[in-house]
Amino acid sequence: DVKVTQSSRYLVKRTGEKVFLECVQDMDHENMFWYRQDPGLGLRLIYFSYDVKMKEKGDIPEGYSVSREKKERFSLILESASTNQTSMYLCASSSSGIGAYEQYFGPGTRLTVT
Amino acid sequence: EDQVTQSPEALRLQEGESSSLNCSYTVSGLRGLFWYRQDPGKGPEFLFTLYSAGEEKEKERLKATLTKKESFLHITAPKPEDSATYLCAVQARGDTGRRALTFGSGTRLQVQP
Repeated sequence: DVKVTQSSRYLVKRTGEKVFLECVQDMDHENMFWYRQDPGLGLRLIYFSYDVKMKEKGDIPEGYSVSREKKERFSLILESASTNQTSMYLCASSSSGIGAYEQYFGPGTRLTVT
Repeated sequence: EDQVTQSPEALRLQEGESSSLNCSYTVSGLRGLFWYRQDPGKGPEFLFTLYSAGEEKEKERLKATLTKKESFLHITAPKPEDSATYLCAVQARGDTGRRALTFGSGTRLQVQP
């Protein structure tokens, strides 16, 4: 079975702190993604990566950065956390190629910024 | 711009009462349409991929179908454990550099015993 793990299930941080969310997948997938999920807004793509050290902005990249130094690991960084970044953060991974490949999600990190 | 609209937003069924969830999509060439199940506080769990109009997939009490404009998730004789939010997502064919999915807002299903 595909497994995607996230470093924390719940996090509470203060405004202005630097926050690291980590994601690891064990299926040798090329693509990795970070989404946030908010009530009424659905899942929105923050960043994705299609190879080591490669990244592309998603729909809402402002206030976030990412790092992918190894194929299995994709980190999301909040440089200076703000209260409007309180959300559920979901990491996903998928294979790459010509076809359509489903994404497999981790359990999520519920981040609260106070 | 790709768009996915799911209806209804919420659905309450009695155990055994069959129904369908709708996913309407607009995409510049469909690469694939995906259905996920999400339980409260958890990540989405993959259910099905549909690739072309006319295709159908089944898993236990769930059956997904696809037309050129929409997909349906049919739930036959549901049980309380089918209660969850069901998400629909599309992947477009045109932009090979973008392998992300566009998600709908989901249908919250509650099945009462």
